[in-house]
Amino acid sequence: QKEVEQNSGPLSVPEGAIASLNCTYSDRVSQSFFWYRQYSGKSPELIMSIYSNGDKEDGRFTAQLNKASQYVSLLIRDSQPSDSATYLCAVKEGRRALTFGSGTRLQVQP
Amino acid sequence: ETGVTQSPTHLIKTRGQQVTLRCSSQSGHNTVSWYQQALGQGPQFIFQYYREEENGRGNFPPRFSGLQFPNYSSELNVNALELDDSALYLCASSLEVSPEPYEQYFGPGTRLTVT
Repeated sequence: QKEVEQNSGPLSVPEGAIASLNCTYSDRVSQSFFWYRQYSGKSPELIMSIYSNGDKEDGRFTAQLNKASQYVSLLIRDSQPSDSATYLCAVKEGRRALTFGSGTRLQVQP
Repeated sequence: ETGVTQSPTHLIKTRGQQVTLRCSSQSGHNTVSWYQQALGQGPQFIFQYYREEENGRGNFPPRFSGLQFPNYSSELNVNALELDDSALYLCASSLEVSPEPYEQYFGPGTRLTVT
C-alpha cells in the first residue's frame, strides 16, 4: 500500500516569510514527485515537478527531493496572501497514476 | 487554464441512480485519469485510460466504469449511487510516452451530490 504523508496544518506564516511544506512517501520505487496547489472549491493546479535528487527552483518556489530519506519538500519564498491554499504532494511510478497525500493547508497572514 | 474540460460542473442525484461524467483532455494528450476527492482528503485514483483501454484501476468497485474515445475524451459512469459517492470528481490528462514520467493536468472537476 503506497502512502504519502503530509501534515494537515494549518501552517500559518506572515506575509513575506518562507513557507516550508513537507511530504514523506513509503514506496521506494516512486520515480516522480509533484506539488499541486488547490484553492477551496477548485481543482488541483500543478506548480512543481521534480524527478532527481536535489533542488529545483521555479520563481518563488523550490522543490527539494531526497530519495534516500523518501522525503520531498516545497519552499515558497516571499509568501503572499494569494498563496493561501491547500498544497498536495503526489508521487508517481512510471506511467502509473498519482498517489496523493491529504494536503497541507497554508495560511499567509497579511 | 489547463485545456482540460469537464461537464457538468455540478450534479445532484438520488441514491440508487446512475450518473455519467464527461472529460475532454488537453490537445495532444493520450491518457486520461479519473480521481475522486472527498472533502478534506487528497484525490483518490479511480482508473486510467490509455489509447482507449483501461490501464490501471484503484480500489473502487465495478459500479465505477469508464470509457475513452478515439479523440481521447472520456466518460466516468457510476451505477447504483450511494451517499458516500458524494465528492468532487476530477479528470486529469497527460501524454504518457514510456519510459518518461509525464505531468498530469486537472480539469475543473464535477461536484456530485447524492441525496
